[in-house]
Amino acid sequence: EAGVTQFPSHSVIEKGQTVTLRCDPISGHDNLYWYRRVMGKEIKFLLHFVKESKQDESGMPNNRFLAERTGGTYSTLKVQPAELEDSGVYFCASSHPGGQGRTGELFFGEGSRLTVL
Amino acid sequence: AQKITQTQPGMFVQEKEAVTLDCTYDTSDPSYGLFWYKQPSSGEMIFLIYQGSYDQQNATEGRYSLNFQKARKSANLVISASQLGDSAMYFCAMRVGSGAGSYQLTFGKGTKLSVIP
Repeated sequence: EAGVTQFPSHSVIEKGQTVTLRCDPISGHDNLYWYRRVMGKEIKFLLHFVKESKQDESGMPNNRFLAERTGGTYSTLKVQPAELEDSGVYFCASSHPGGQGRTGELFFGEGSRLTVL
Repeated sequence: AQKITQTQPGMFVQEKEAVTLDCTYDTSDPSYGLFWYKQPSSGEMIFLIYQGSYDQQNATEGRYSLNFQKARKSANLVISASQLGDSAMYFCAMRVGSGAGSYQLTFGKGTKLSVIP
């Protein structure tokens, strides 16, 4: 079974440019999450999809960030226009359809590192 | 607000020795779950162990055990018989409640463990 895959693994862009990160969850996982770790800080929740619907987007920093999950399969996270403070590692995670189960286990991808110059 | 504190930025342990990674948490919700994740250099976040707030016994998963002290609000991870492959970042995380927002994980800043041969 393939794990959560993220693309690109590393992206370097200039301030003001646009970047789109992609996440392919584990097949059959209805729940998909985006998290972000800015250098030296904690990993922070961004948003949560259940299938194609945004269940909770309370962690999205501002309206420069747009997440989509058309068809309830893969998800994209677009940053437009990118700012210096957006640099960090963006993690995607998915979990089983029944919620997170007892343990609440999230299956994480390897992350997409974004560097804004 | 929920908070996870990991006071050890870095730890060293001799191979085959046991090591304890500290984690304290803060929440006013009586229902919560505590997690430990391992992040090797590849970047992927790997779920290790889970402890529910109502669990009577400390969680164990192979060489990993969670020293859960509810009154002290601590959930330390104990790794027995350390192996070189245990060298990684370790994150403590918490999920609270059972509503929509309970899918969010709150993370600590992490502890970098280095196993010495």
